Amino acid sequence: QKEVEQNSGPLSVPEGAIASLNCTYSDRGSQSFFWYRQYSGKSPELIMFIYSNGDKEDGRFTAQLNKASQYVSLLIRDSQPSDSATYLCAVRRVNRDDKIIFGKGTRLHILP
Amino acid sequence: DAGITQSPRHKVTETGTPVTLRCHQTENHRYMYWYRQDPGHGLRLIHYSYGVKDTDKGEVSDGYSVSRSKTEDFLLTLESATSSQTSVYFCAIRSGSIEQFFGPGTRLTVL
Repeated sequence: QKEVEQNSGPLSVPEGAIASLNCTYSDRGSQSFFWYRQYSGKSPELIMFIYSNGDKEDGRFTAQLNKASQYVSLLIRDSQPSDSATYLCAVRRVNRDDKIIFGKGTRLHILP
Repeated sequence: DAGITQSPRHKVTETGTPVTLRCHQTENHRYMYWYRQDPGHGLRLIHYSYGVKDTDKGEVSDGYSVSRSKTEDFLLTLESATSSQTSVYFCAIRSGSIEQFFGPGTRLTVL
């Protein structure tokens, strides 16, 4: 089982709709969770992090964490064409080697 | 951009030649990382550093070495480049206790 799994996509969402990106992780000791956005040919950009169960909102972005289900998601409200990118889920394994493990990413395409 | 630069940004080299990539940061961060990113594999950690002269291996360290003689510089060396090391290489730093930020990347092609 891969440590961090994401559907590779592409996920196509109409402009103005809610985009929902999902990620599961295998290590129950994981304590910090990150979402990065990566445009083609660019470096990953941190957009959200969460470490407590529940929701964390920042503008149009909401990160949701369910540790019991080992599941983290990112919701993007009012999707814009500029949101078209690859979204990387990442997990920090505190109390082990403290490294961040990345999923392979989900490609999101917002349809104008 | 968290004050991270990488050099060179693009490099084409031949199999068997040594290559050194440089990561430079201006904000005195303790932790620095080297990743490679390949289609189908995502981001994979090569080596990381938790202080001057303190380094450790990541999941894909074979064929790579690193050095950190100053806080601001973290060097990645391919002793004898192979075609399988063609990739995009990203340096990253950890800011504070949680967030990790990436440099602009180096695209390396080994012919």
